[in-house]
Amino acid sequence: EVQLVETGGGLIQPGGSLRLSCAASGLSVSDNYFSWVRLAAGKGPEWVSLLYNDGNAYYPDSVKGRFTFSRDNSKNTVYLLMNSLRADDTAIYYCATYNHARSAFENWGQGTLVTVSS
Amino acid sequence: QSALTQPPSASGSPGQSVTISCTGTSSDVGHFNFVSWYQQYPGKAPKLMIYEVRKRPSGVPDRFSGSKSGNTASLTVSGLQAEDEADYYCSSYAGTTKFEVFGGGTKLTVL
Repeated sequence: EVQLVETGGGLIQPGGSLRLSCAASGLSVSDNYFSWVRLAAGKGPEWVSLLYNDGNAYYPDSVKGRFTFSRDNSKNTVYLLMNSLRADDTAIYYCATYNHARSAFENWGQGTLVTVSS
Repeated sequence: QSALTQPPSASGSPGQSVTISCTGTSSDVGHFNFVSWYQQYPGKAPKLMIYEVRKRPSGVPDRFSGSKSGNTASLTVSGLQAEDEADYYCSSYAGTTKFEVFGGGTKLTVL
């Protein structure tokens, strides 16, 4: 059974940085595509990063240059480093596996809440 | 504002069928047969219910079905049950630049 457990969320001031972690079990992070998807109150989901199994990462314009997706194969964990945080980054952040052939987010974690406020 | 348009709410009585629409453009829903639907209970992780417009992952009841016509995809829940009350989100592949776009979500209420 695949399990994804996110940690690292919290209250952070605008302009600050936060690193989210997603510990995976039941699959290898090095063999799979991963994504972070955020859900803000009253809005639909938004993908904020995609990490291919070859290690290349992709971002939408809304976070490009501020967010960095990485992984540690030895810990079977992926990370999202978020810099220059803004109020509109406030959301629940979910770690998910992405099935590239099906273009679908197959397994999701429970999410971690990030609140950007002074 | 989400890229895909969903009705904010839908409802039906137990045993009835309800259909939720998801309208995009010729650059996403209309161009690719990669529409997915997700179910989410409050405070829980989203769950993939439909992928590639109409395919169901293992374990998803066949009461859930998907379809597409032009720029609009639809999720139909037949034989509504109380446990189907949840939020439903659609998504579509939108190419190598936009990647995936989502709808704003539909809250399904079982009356």
